[in-house]
Amino acid sequence: SYVLTQPPSVSVAPGKTATITCGGINIGSKSVHWYQQRPGQAPVLVISYDSDRPSGVPDRFSGSNPGNTATLTISGVEGGDEADYYCQVWDSSGDHTNWVFGGGTKLTVL
Amino acid sequence: EVQLVESGGHLIQPGGSLRLSCAASGFTVSSNYVSWVRQAPGKGLEWVSIIYSGGTTYYAASVKGRFTISRDISKNIVYLQMDSLRAEDTAVYYCAREPSSAYDPFDYWGQGTLVTVSS
Repeated sequence: SYVLTQPPSVSVAPGKTATITCGGINIGSKSVHWYQQRPGQAPVLVISYDSDRPSGVPDRFSGSNPGNTATLTISGVEGGDEADYYCQVWDSSGDHTNWVFGGGTKLTVL
Repeated sequence: EVQLVESGGHLIQPGGSLRLSCAASGFTVSSNYVSWVRQAPGKGLEWVSIIYSGGTTYYAASVKGRFTISRDISKNIVYLQMDSLRAEDTAVYYCAREPSSAYDPFDYWGQGTLVTVSS
């Protein structure tokens, strides 16, 4: 089955830029979605289709998917951005069809 | 306003059965795709199952043969029937909507319902 690999944790100082990666074989051929999950809350979509920003999501959030690694970038990081972030792709190959999530990255704002 | 409300989670013994409900409002389950996603305590998100607008269903390998997703269009509810429950099924179970196609992201999520499998 398809595997998405994320770093377990990323730390960044307020006002700086955080970069969270999501690796997978030939991931550039897939559409990647990103979710933010604050403690005790349900996930919230922050980036869809690699780089689209849903209504209401600050433009500090951006995404790219140029090749073997998709990236979520958060510029001007604020304390409220501290959360877990998950990437997601749809995988339909072989004998299975399913959604796949990365293991998640905990963003800590120093 | 789109809303999803899960219910039915509680403490259940290993080997037991449980049915979760996901009550939808602001959209019709017959015209959208609805998934169940679970999160074990302190762990990441794991997709469980999906039901397409046309009724096609898919399951994660970890639950295939034990869980069944279904819907009641008249009540606008999606269900997850969970049989032969194991300790590793302990998790918060979320339902989530995809608006148009199987490739769309989950734009709305419920608040989750906790299932604890333990003797």
